[in-house]
Amino acid sequence: EDKVVQSPLSLVVHEGDTVTLNCSYEVTNFRSLLWYKQEKKAPTFLFMLTSSGIEKKSGRLSSILDKKELFSILNITATQTGDSAVYLCAVRTSGSRLTFGEGTQLTVNP
Amino acid sequence: DGGITQSPKYLFRKEGQNVTLSCEQNLNHDAMYWYRQDPGQGLRLIYYSQIVNDFQKGDIAEGYSVSREKKESFPLTVTSAQKNPTAFYLCASSLDRASTDTQYFGPGTRLTVL
Repeated sequence: EDKVVQSPLSLVVHEGDTVTLNCSYEVTNFRSLLWYKQEKKAPTFLFMLTSSGIEKKSGRLSSILDKKELFSILNITATQTGDSAVYLCAVRTSGSRLTFGEGTQLTVNP
Repeated sequence: DGGITQSPKYLFRKEGQNVTLSCEQNLNHDAMYWYRQDPGQGLRLIYYSQIVNDFQKGDIAEGYSVSREKKESFPLTVTSAQKNPTAFYLCASSLDRASTDTQYFGPGTRLTVL
């Protein structure tokens, strides 16, 4: 059975802090790993990672994949209150199916 | 406006009633998906469809049914057989042409069974 595990499950930080969210996976037929941000309703796409060791970056967010150790991290630097959300990690395997982790609830306090 | 729409946003039903959740997309995406999200949990796949008139069960299909008569539409029926239907339901779609295709989500329907 495919499995995606995120840690920590929740995190509370102050504005300006840097956070690292973790995602590990055990799946058959790995194709890609995706990060989404969910604020109250629809998850919005952040990154897709397919190759090991190549960092994807968008502003203060960055992510990297390690296919040998089967994990990915999502970094957020200089956090802002608007970064408060649930961050979801998902792995694409056979066909178009995604298997999601439980999510990390990030709260950024002013 | 291009995107995925779900209706209604909030839905209340009495126990024992079937209810149908709507999902429409005008992105010309081939594949559509239904997920369920419970508090403190990630998304779990209910059903998905990669082509019109065909669909497959996901991980938690029991108590649900779907149809895919048109490319743009993928309605989900929550039947009375679903033991714990109160949840947040998300619909998604993707092009499904390459392994790098991304799933995009609708705004969700929050179903409460009284």
